[in-house]
Amino acid sequence: GQQVQQSPASLVLQEGENAELQCNFSSTATQLQWFYQSPGGSLVSLLSNPSGTKHTGRLTSTTVTKERRSSLHISSSQTTDSGTYLCAIEVSNYNVLYFGSGTKLTVEP
Amino acid sequence: DAGVTQTPRHEVAEKGQTIILKCEPVSGHNDLFWYRQTKIQGLELLSYFRSKSLMEDGGAFKDRFKAEMLNSSFSTLKIQPTEPKDSAVYLCASSLEVNYAEQFFGPGTRLTVL
Repeated sequence: GQQVQQSPASLVLQEGENAELQCNFSSTATQLQWFYQSPGGSLVSLLSNPSGTKHTGRLTSTTVTKERRSSLHISSSQTTDSGTYLCAIEVSNYNVLYFGSGTKLTVEP
Repeated sequence: DAGVTQTPRHEVAEKGQTIILKCEPVSGHNDLFWYRQTKIQGLELLSYFRSKSLMEDGGAFKDRFKAEMLNSSFSTLKIQPTEPKDSAVYLCASSLEVNYAEQFFGPGTRLTVL
């Protein structure tokens, strides 16, 4: 099956520090989405970025399709950024997503 | 526009019971997905509908799990009979029927099977 690996599994930061999350995948991705999930909450789409670099607010995603990897950079982290960040890819024209196991981010005040 | 809605938010069932989870996609979305989320397995696809037609079902879930889409604005996921290992969060998502569309997720149903 499709493999999506995320690293690190967990990350603890002090407020104001930057975070760098990694996603590596085993197949060519036709779509890549980053999601945020608060503890006990549902998934919220942050960015769709199948290739190149995209910015939204304090988030920057860079996807290098040929190398099958993507990163999510969170600048000036805040305590409200705490939660799990999930990377998901599509590998065909069907919109089925394959998820990584996530990075649990904790931002301490 | 309302997002994806799911009911109930929490369900507790005895082993062997039949439970039905409900989902309403975003209006205008023709792709609908059911996922299951557990701490060990993460997120796994259960079913995928496009314009009410079943496009894919998770092979491992065929025997006791049945998803249906009777109309474009409503879907159900039936688990029959339930087992304790079915305890998980069940998430419904929808998207436009275009390639590489963003998926929007509902709040999920947390199922506990005793």
